[in-house]
Amino acid sequence: AQSVTQLDSHVSVSEGTPVLLRCNYSSSYSPSLFWYVQHPNKGLQLLLKYTSAATLVKGINGFEAEFKKSETSFHLTKPSAHMSDAAEYFCVVIPPANFGNEKLTFGTGTRLTIIP
Amino acid sequence: EAGVAQSPRYKIIEKRQSVAFWCNPISGHATLYWYQQILGQGPKLLIQFQNNGVVDDSQLPKDRFSAERLKGVDSTLKIQPAKLEDSAVYLCASSKVTSGVPRLSTDTQYFGPGTRLTVL
Repeated sequence: AQSVTQLDSHVSVSEGTPVLLRCNYSSSYSPSLFWYVQHPNKGLQLLLKYTSAATLVKGINGFEAEFKKSETSFHLTKPSAHMSDAAEYFCVVIPPANFGNEKLTFGTGTRLTIIP
Repeated sequence: EAGVAQSPRYKIIEKRQSVAFWCNPISGHATLYWYQQILGQGPKLLIQFQNNGVVDDSQLPKDRFSAERLKGVDSTLKIQPAKLEDSAVYLCASSKVTSGVPRLSTDTQYFGPGTRLTVL
């Protein structure tokens, strides 16, 4: 079985400062890992994904994440926060296709607040 | 390109009543998913359709929940009778098969805005 742990339920940063949202995964195989963002009253949107290619993954809106197998982590970062980044962020793990029973397993989410 | 449409956006019912949600996926997307998102938690898959066939309904409480996708396009999710613990946002998502067979790692899921259900 696979799981993800989002270490912070709420993160607050000032506009223009770096963002770090932490995610650790638990898996006995090499999973795929995604980050999704959910703005209020809008659908979940895929930010970026890691699927066993380059370990540093760049996504939309200036976000990036680095897959670190030794640390079982997939933290999301952005150099400079913008007011429009305020949202809920979800880390997601998926088992390899040949394991069968593919489904997205979501973390509990991190609410990002941007301070003007 | 129009996104995934869901209706209603909000629904308030009393326990033991029934309720139905509707989803219209993005045109051409063969795979459709229903998720339940309880407050403070991440979404949990309820059921996955490939065209009009069920791929995975292992987490659907079949004693009270049902879903259908009769013509392989629109889908409805029904709860009958509702319980207090069914209060949640119900999300619909769709994806296009890009490599011959459905693969979550390559087929991006596009989510609708959700239906917020409150059971009193």
